[in-house]
Amino acid sequence: RKEVEQDPGPFNVPEGATVAFNCTYSNSASQSFFWYRQDCRKEPKLLMSVYSSGNEDGRFTAQLNRASQYISLLIRDSKLSDSATYLCVVSSGSARQLTFGSGTQLTVLP
Amino acid sequence: DADVTQTPRNRITKTGKRIMLECSQTKGHDRMYWYRQDPGLGLRLIYYSFDVKDINKGEISDGYSVSRQAQAKFSLSLESAIPNQTALYFCATSESPTGELFFGEGSRLTVL
Repeated sequence: RKEVEQDPGPFNVPEGATVAFNCTYSNSASQSFFWYRQDCRKEPKLLMSVYSSGNEDGRFTAQLNRASQYISLLIRDSKLSDSATYLCVVSSGSARQLTFGSGTQLTVLP
Repeated sequence: DADVTQTPRNRITKTGKRIMLECSQTKGHDRMYWYRQDPGLGLRLIYYSFDVKDINKGEISDGYSVSRQAQAKFSLSLESAIPNQTALYFCATSESPTGELFFGEGSRLTVL
């Protein structure tokens, strides 16, 4: 079982739609959680950290469920510019090493 | 100019050749990382360094070596390249263990 698993998609949604991605992690002792965004042929960039209480940044909402060991990302009112691959990232261990999921591809259609 | 700069951006080489990928940063971060990205596998950690005197193996270090020449410079070497090392390589920096990772633009390596 992979340490961090994501549905690879692709998710194809119309503009204005709401879309949600889930990510599961295997290490129950994982400490920190993040969503990164990667545009085609570009470097990943931090989208948002995920806090235990859940957090929101504009149209983006991240949730953490430690009991079920998953995190989620909700995007409301999708824009064409949201088209990208979304990477789930989990920090574990004494060295706080980051483990990346393989990413979920989103395409927002006009 | 980019805060994290990788050279070369693209390289095609032959099996058995020695290759060096270089990374330099102007962010002043102590922590530097090398990752490789393959389709369907996500980013995997090759080596990381928390300061000039500290080098650590990551998940997939076999076949690779690194050198931390200065706080700002972290190089990745493939002593004898093989085709399954064909991938997109990213250098990254961070300020703290759980801090944001800042990536370079990537180095696309093809080993024939």
